[in-house]
Amino acid sequence: AIQLTQSPSSLSASVGDRVTITCRASQGISSALAWYQQKPGKAPKLLIYDASSLESGVPSRFSGSGSGTDFTLTISSLQPEDFATYYCQQFNSYRITFGQGTRLEIK
Amino acid sequence: QITLKESGPTLVKPTQTLTLTCTFSGFSLSTSGVGVGWIRQPPGKALEWLALIYWDDDKRYSPSLKSRLTITKDTSKNQVVLTMTNMDPVDTATYYCAHRSRWFGELVYFDYWGQGTLVTVSS
Repeated sequence: AIQLTQSPSSLSASVGDRVTITCRASQGISSALAWYQQKPGKAPKLLIYDASSLESGVPSRFSGSGSGTDFTLTISSLQPEDFATYYCQQFNSYRITFGQGTRLEIK
Repeated sequence: QITLKESGPTLVKPTQTLTLTCTFSGFSLSTSGVGVGWIRQPPGKALEWLALIYWDDDKRYSPSLKSRLTITKDTSKNQVVLTMTNMDPVDTATYYCAHRSRWFGELVYFDYWGQGTLVTVSS
């Protein structure tokens, strides 16, 4: 199965900061990658799909980029509601896997 | 408005079979391209995809759990059922069902999720 490695595992940042989270795939997956946001006790929320397409209703401060094995999620200016855990997810012939998560905390 | 909700036992004993039901509204599982999947999350850990069923009854399973899983749908009731056999304490997790949009082409992402249901496996 394709492994997804997110870095960092945790991150402290302040409101207004620009933040980048990385997801690296163990083999090439083209652009078949999504990003989710999960808050404590809640279900994940889809933010980005196809590596860089913004899901409807998601604020434009979220953006995604990358293809092949290296992907990034960027939050251009952190807002208080953005402190959460973020997961990447890949699709490769129904061997769907998620990254281990990146916890974004308030500094 | 698409909503999904999981239901089933909160506690199962080791070796028992778990049956979870996902009841949804706001879409039809007879619409071309639509799917419903199951994903679980052990406490404090990452997400793990389990299974997916499509509008045409095509079924897909996680290779590592395929022998233990069965997914079915009842389109008239707007329900999807997941069964997992031979439950073990390591299967303790929150189980989510989620919607897969037809607009994702051949790829699978989950754009609407249920609230999740915590299943504990213990004797």
